[in-house]
Amino acid sequence: DAKTTQPTSMDCAEGRAANLPCNHSTISGNEYVYWYRQIHSQGPQYIIHGLKNNETNEMASLIITEDRKSSTLILPHATLRDTAVYYCIVRFRSNDYKLSFGAGTTVTVRA
Amino acid sequence: GAVVSQHPSWVICKSGTSVKIECRSLDFQATTMFWYRQFPKQSLMLMATSNEGSKATYEQGVEKDKFLINHASLTLSTLTVTSAHPEDSSFYICSATYLGGDYEQYFGPGTRLTVT
Repeated sequence: DAKTTQPTSMDCAEGRAANLPCNHSTISGNEYVYWYRQIHSQGPQYIIHGLKNNETNEMASLIITEDRKSSTLILPHATLRDTAVYYCIVRFRSNDYKLSFGAGTTVTVRA
Repeated sequence: GAVVSQHPSWVICKSGTSVKIECRSLDFQATTMFWYRQFPKQSLMLMATSNEGSKATYEQGVEKDKFLINHASLTLSTLTVTSAHPEDSSFYICSATYLGGDYEQYFGPGTRLTVT
């Protein structure tokens, strides 16, 4: 598995964009970048994923550098409900793929 | 769509007893189900992977005789913690992947186990 490196924690202001970086310098060509988040005492929630191109959905945007060694998850207008631990995971796409969760980034959105 | 439920959401049991946790895919057939454990302020750790009708595959360090996994159907997997001890107190989370689907893992809400 390619390992990822994320900052331990970050604060952001409600209503502002939150930019969460992730380094994955050993990612292989067939591995995707996935982001999940876990709100306190809940199961993880899928946010977004991508291979090479930037992606956007109703929750977030994912920017992947051209060399694919790093990525940024963008929460465009953070709300208090976005306070959670965010996990960046690189993985192959298969049904029995074992996800490996690192420590993630604890994001605290402040009013 | 792709909803996974767990039952119970929390359970308290006495040391030495066994407790069963159910994981159900409510609106899809799950080809594979995964069980994770999460201690306070720690990340999720994969315990085992199970496929319907097959024996579960346990991760290194996870006692298969203590954590019994039964994946009896395409919508139900159970985790039984046998002879529970206080150190087994944890947050147990299951996930499932979609038969013929998009390779995503859909997570349940988790079960908080407290062993007294």
